[in-house]
Amino acid sequence: IAGITQAPTSQILAAGRRMTLRCTQDMRHNAMYWYRQDLGLGLRLIHYSNTAGTTGKGEVPDGYSVSRANTDDFPLTLASAVPSQTSVYFCASSERRQTGELFFGEGSRLTVL
Amino acid sequence: KQEVTQIPAALSVPEGENLVLNCSFTDSAIYNLQWFRQDPGKGLTSLLLIQSSQREQTSGRLNASLDKSSGRSTLYIAASQPGDSATYLCAVRSGGSNYKLTFGKGTLLTVNP
Repeated sequence: IAGITQAPTSQILAAGRRMTLRCTQDMRHNAMYWYRQDLGLGLRLIHYSNTAGTTGKGEVPDGYSVSRANTDDFPLTLASAVPSQTSVYFCASSERRQTGELFFGEGSRLTVL
Repeated sequence: KQEVTQIPAALSVPEGENLVLNCSFTDSAIYNLQWFRQDPGKGLTSLLLIQSSQREQTSGRLNASLDKSSGRSTLYIAASQPGDSATYLCAVRSGGSNYKLTFGKGTLLTVNP
């Protein structure tokens, strides 16, 4: 089934550790996104990529980095995790950033202790 | 700055009832509006995408309308079923250089058997 695959689905992490959340899509979409979802705050954009080789900052980029080496993969890295990064992280993609329908992965639940 | 509001925050209805979920936005200069459903612990599933030039979209028992001039969209669900119970979110993609997507906080729908 075509779609977005995220890994891991859940992770508990000690503060200060490095963590990479993986995201792969098989729809050949140009644009990809990382969101975090927190109770009361809704969905907030962390980083995005309009096409392979380019990335941009969203609303809450501090403490996170991304790369887009190819069309299918868009990993999100926490260089040194802090408790405030405890959240559910969603990867999403769309054919085009401007007008495309957005599709989401199932999420990665991250707890930083 | 675009703001998206969904009222009510929660709604409980008996099975079989027709219902309307509301989404309002402050800036009418939009590219499109998308409705999603989210089941507990899951990702967002796209329901309907309405482009700015369209007035409505239909999929099965769902009908979404868009009135840009008044900054409103509604999601109509016909003959509701317990399986429709979920959180429904709308998201508005605005114009400008970064095509920002702004999410509402969602409406939690419970359909009682």
